[in-house]
Amino acid sequence: QQQVKQSPQSLIVQKGGISIINCAYENTAFDYFPWYQQFPGKGPALLIAIRPDVSEKKEGRFTISFNKSAKQFSLHIMDSQPGDSATYFCAASMRGGTSYGKLTFGQGTILTVHP
Amino acid sequence: DGGITQSPKYLFRKEGQNVTLSCEQNLNHDAMYWYRQDPGQGLRLIYYSQIVNDFQKGDIAEGYSVSREKKESFPLTVTSAQKNPTAFYLCASSFGTSGNNEQFFGPGTRLTVL
Repeated sequence: QQQVKQSPQSLIVQKGGISIINCAYENTAFDYFPWYQQFPGKGPALLIAIRPDVSEKKEGRFTISFNKSAKQFSLHIMDSQPGDSATYFCAASMRGGTSYGKLTFGQGTILTVHP
Repeated sequence: DGGITQSPKYLFRKEGQNVTLSCEQNLNHDAMYWYRQDPGQGLRLIYYSQIVNDFQKGDIAEGYSVSREKKESFPLTVTSAQKNPTAFYLCASSFGTSGNNEQFFGPGTRLTVL
């Protein structure tokens, strides 16, 4: 019930292409869905996040699409650049109770953008 | 300059030794977290604390211990009971119940058992 499943494990995209990473969750109590970007040897940094009251959120080249009924959400990176090459993690958490703020992470996707 | 600091960046431990990883934040966050990262497994929660002098076990707490005596500090001790401690350890913090769940991460400590 607490799992977040992420796919694909790795992704290779040409510069200027669209990168798409998908996540699925089971726990319907989750109400916060962030995406983190991590470069080698560094801590993850929040990229963009969404709550289930909206179906899409866009920030620059990064868009989250959210499908509440399917319990799925995805990250789209438009006009992918070599500097976007990193590991991306989806996560989910809920408000309320002792589980407040606990993030459950997906397994990560290693994105490589070729010039 | 606000943020989360972790020290040391690299740590080497002999088998049977306990080691303590430091995590400090000056973001005035109430909640702090420790994660372990292994290749291909994402981040797994070890311990978390929502207020001073209180903490809860995460998903993989066995072989680890923490304390939260000050709001700014949340040290993690990796004990000799942890059978496979070699990993990248990440500390994070957030405003907790008063905030929007956004967690900020430190730069990490890479622990290697020799």
